[in-house]
Amino acid sequence: AQSVAQPEDQVNVAEGNPLTVKCTYSVSGNPYLFWYVQYPNRGLQFLLKYITGDNLVKGSYGFEAEFNKSQTSFHLKKPSALVSDSALYFCAVRVYAGKSTFGDGTTLTVKP
Amino acid sequence: EPEVTQTPSHQVTQMGQEVILRCVPISNHLYFYWYRQILGQKVEFLVSFYNNEISEKSEIFDDQFSVERPDGSNFTLKIRSTKLEDSAMYFCASRGRTGEQYFGPGTRLTVT
Repeated sequence: AQSVAQPEDQVNVAEGNPLTVKCTYSVSGNPYLFWYVQYPNRGLQFLLKYITGDNLVKGSYGFEAEFNKSQTSFHLKKPSALVSDSALYFCAVRVYAGKSTFGDGTTLTVKP
Repeated sequence: EPEVTQTPSHQVTQMGQEVILRCVPISNHLYFYWYRQILGQKVEFLVSFYNNEISEKSEIFDDQFSVERPDGSNFTLKIRSTKLEDSAMYFCASRGRTGEQYFGPGTRLTVT
């Protein structure tokens, strides 16, 4: 069975500071890893993915994530947070032909 | 860029009524999925569909639920007799041969 853990329900950062949202996963086989953002009463917005290749993946809105196979992690990062980044963030994992399994989500709050 | 579409965006129904949620996957995709997100909670897998049959389903996907691809373009989720706890956001997704899964914007179902 595959699983995703987002150990922090809430992450608070000040605007302009770097942010990290943590994600670890468990899967049999090569993982496909994803980050999505969700604003209140809205759908899932794709941020970035790792399928193969460079461990550092760059995505939308200045976000990036680093795939670490030995630590089975895929943490989301941004060098300088904006107030508009405040939202709910989901990490997801799947194998090639499978369903996606989502983490519980992390609420990011960026304060001015 | 191709996208998955879903209708309606919001459906309000009374308990015990049948609802059909509609999705138009990306045209050359072969794998289709439904996920559910109860307000503020994690996104949960419901069912996957390939070659006109269910390939995998979760415990949530009981006999009240059914899926269909009636005309080669639409992909529908039917809930036969809605319960209050069916109130959620329902996301459709489709996947092509490259492995990338695209999510629709979701249908918010409110059961009163």
